Amino acid sequence: QEKVQQSPESLIVPEGAMVSLNCSFSDSASQSIWWYQQHPGKGPKALISIFSNGNKKEGRLTVYLNRASLHVSLHIKDSQPSDSAVYLCAVNPGYQNFYFGKGTSLTVIP
Amino acid sequence: EAAVTQSPRSKVAVTGGKVTLSCHQTNNHDYMYWYRQDTGHGLRLIHYSYVADSTEKGDIPDGYKASRPSQENFSLILELASLSQTAVYFCASSDEGQGENTQYFGPGTRLLVL
Repeated sequence: QEKVQQSPESLIVPEGAMVSLNCSFSDSASQSIWWYQQHPGKGPKALISIFSNGNKKEGRLTVYLNRASLHVSLHIKDSQPSDSAVYLCAVNPGYQNFYFGKGTSLTVIP
Repeated sequence: EAAVTQSPRSKVAVTGGKVTLSCHQTNNHDYMYWYRQDTGHGLRLIHYSYVADSTEKGDIPDGYKASRPSQENFSLILELASLSQTAVYFCASSDEGQGENTQYFGPGTRLLVL
């Protein structure tokens, strides 16, 4: 069974800061990695995904995947108070399941 | 934006009672999923379905049944609710089951078993 570990557990940053979130997983053959954003009392919302080694940029978000080190990171540029939420890393091993980490709680202070 | 709705949004149930959670999607997606979310755990897959009238077990199916009567509807049934089933339950849908397809989540159902 895939194991997904996220760090840090929580993070508080000032508005405008660059935010870096980390996720490690146990299976280098995992086909895809997703980052979800979850606001209190809401369902998770997909933000960005990556399938190949390297990086992918979408707007203020950049994700880096290194399969050799079993590590993926999400970077949020110019963070905003509206970015305050829990960020979930999800790994798909290639069949009908996603394994989720426990999440990182981000607070952006105005 | 894909739409997934859940009902009820919250429920209090008694131990040993039957609970049915409902999910409806208007995305025309083939795949639907039920997850539970607990403090200290990530989201964990209970059951999923890729076609009407068929369901499959996820990682933690014990104590749960699922029903997919149509493409749009997917239910989670707790025949004998237990204290350990207190959690927030999320339904999701996706176009295909593999990782390249976005999962769209509903708002969740908060279940408290007393």
